[in-house]
Amino acid sequence: GESVGLHLPTLSVQEGDNSIINCAYSNSASDYFIWYKQESGKGPQFIIDIRSNMDKRQGQRVTVLLNKTVKHLSLQIAATQPGDSAVYFCAENFSGGYQKVTFGTGTKLQVIP
Amino acid sequence: EAEVAQSPRYKITEKSQAVAFWCDPISGHATLYWYRQILGQGPELLVQFQDESVVDDSQLPKDRFSAERLKGVDSTLKIQPAELGDSAMYLCASSLHRNTDTQYFGPGTRLTVL
Repeated sequence: GESVGLHLPTLSVQEGDNSIINCAYSNSASDYFIWYKQESGKGPQFIIDIRSNMDKRQGQRVTVLLNKTVKHLSLQIAATQPGDSAVYFCAENFSGGYQKVTFGTGTKLQVIP
Repeated sequence: EAEVAQSPRYKITEKSQAVAFWCDPISGHATLYWYRQILGQGPELLVQFQDESVVDDSQLPKDRFSAERLKGVDSTLKIQPAELGDSAMYLCASSLHRNTDTQYFGPGTRLTVL
């Protein structure tokens, strides 16, 4: 992961609105991307993943978009709920040889009731 | 639902002391990872095991850190001597196969070095 210091970017969203969290990745050879959610005091939790041969993947209330041209990844959360408040990390993985996942900087999502 | 177990959850130690963290991965998971997470940053891989073998320890400060997974199941991460800069969350994760990408994380051990 890249070091960005102690202050996480923060996104504040009204409950019920949609959230979009963005991430820039660094390795053009990365072929697998994952979004994790980390609540305070807990380990990261897998949310959704996407492979480099796709540009969009949908889950339950979440959608991940991948733009390989500009090495950009986004996570969209529909109808954001208070339970979505957490820090969200994107991670990139190059599956050549043993997988090595590199986490990006996190974004703190605050849901306003 | 199977989970990755870690202990202790919290550890406070003085600098120059030795500390050890334990991880029990999800049963049947061949790959085990130790990460360090500094407050406000993403997890950074320290060491990765495939069964009992180390496959990546390029980011492990080997002068003071050691890790083992003797029987290919649970694992221990040790720091000796601890330094102030080691204060962080130490996360363990496991995945089913070498090429299976979903990693399942434990709750972590928060280390504070005084």
